[in-house]
Amino acid sequence: DSGVTQTPKHLITATGQRVTLRCSPRSGDLSVYWYQQSLDQGLQFLIQYYNGEERAKGNILERFSAQQFPDLHSELNLSSLELGDSALYFCASSVARGGGLAGAEDTQYFGPGTRLTVL
Amino acid sequence: ELKVEQNPLFLSMQEGKNYTIYCNYSTTSDRLYWYRQDPGKSLESLFVLLSNGAVKQEGRLMASLDTKARLSTLHITAAVHDLSATYFCAVVYSGGSNYKLTFGKGTLLTVNP
Repeated sequence: DSGVTQTPKHLITATGQRVTLRCSPRSGDLSVYWYQQSLDQGLQFLIQYYNGEERAKGNILERFSAQQFPDLHSELNLSSLELGDSALYFCASSVARGGGLAGAEDTQYFGPGTRLTVL
Repeated sequence: ELKVEQNPLFLSMQEGKNYTIYCNYSTTSDRLYWYRQDPGKSLESLFVLLSNGAVKQEGRLMASLDTKARLSTLHITAAVHDLSATYFCAVVYSGGSNYKLTFGKGTLLTVNP
């Protein structure tokens, strides 16, 4: 158990809908990262938040947004869902002392993932 | 655009043998990660390599980084069945004030008794 929790574990929805995925980082970790894993696209880094602020942006679509709240949990919002958005969404957390993308010697701890199916 | 290539993509090896997974990348970077993913499971961080010549070892796995050659290797020594998993490398590219992390396609390692 990494100490990172994600809810829900599974989500089935229809095209055009909007969903919210939630991530609670390990106690003491300031940074949260979101990743998408699909058969088509492989693993992709979406976005990183550090202590409530966006720190690094990867291949996140404009239909997607994220935020990190004062208690450091994070939510990934996916809207106008398309079939191609079906994927596993992982979050990870790290202490990220440097604030950057997994700073020096910084280890990321991954949650179990949310499997999103868009029908 | 940063490209990250892993090879081989599939690796079947016998217990007790040694092998190396290669990760080549196309743009200057000074930070590279290795991850492990068991079937149907989440990711696990293995190594963070921060500088040219960096070498990290954990058990039967050893990772190294050559930033001049834009190459990292993950060497497996005396493989055991428990090492069967998919291994990903990922490279950080710094563009201005932003960072991007790009993954390789992964190497599916199967260790046979």
